[in-house]
Amino acid sequence: DAGVIQSPRHEVTEMGQEVTLRCKPISGHNSLFWYRQTMMRGLELLIYFNNNVPIDDSGMPEDRFSAKMPNASFSTLKIQPSEPRDSAVYFCASRLDPGELFFGEGSRLTVL
Amino acid sequence: AQRVTQPEKLLSVFKGAPVELKCNYSYSGSPELFWYVQYSRQRLQLLLRHISRESIKGFTADLNKGETSFHLKKPFAQEEDSAMYYCALRGRGGSQGNLIFGKGTKLSVKP
Repeated sequence: DAGVIQSPRHEVTEMGQEVTLRCKPISGHNSLFWYRQTMMRGLELLIYFNNNVPIDDSGMPEDRFSAKMPNASFSTLKIQPSEPRDSAVYFCASRLDPGELFFGEGSRLTVL
Repeated sequence: AQRVTQPEKLLSVFKGAPVELKCNYSYSGSPELFWYVQYSRQRLQLLLRHISRESIKGFTADLNKGETSFHLKKPFAQEEDSAMYYCALRGRGGSQGNLIFGKGTKLSVKP
């Protein structure tokens, strides 16, 4: 298995634009997580899904952020409209409960 | 409230010196504790978990429930240990499936 796959790896956009980050979890895993990493706040959980259902989205900053998991092999995190303070590395991770959490390589977002 | 605290943002030691990365947690029940490591330009990966009671790459961590700590230790640091280290907590049972991370400690091992 290639592990958790995220795209794009790097995204540079202008304030106000829509950003969509994508994640393919490891096949067979039943939980998927989106984290945001910044220097100031470290690694923050944004949302996690179990069996494609959102379980905890309390970490989603505001209505500009939304996440979907239409099937077991795909998830998106969307920011609309984007703002400079959204600049961060966004990680997707998956696991087969209650096992180890595996991370993707991250999507580095820069909003100008 | 669940919380993981890593008091040091940066820890710098010389090669061969002992290293201890501190982690304290706040949780009302009986949590699972983990250490994750992120080497330069690589993805986060699990280093060790308290229930395994194992030593990985010379690192150990003991869960101290009295002090609510899970410090990561290595007697002799190596240059290749330079990385970001994250302590994480997961509650047991129910819907407590998510991992709460500390803000991380950057370990720099100098030659």
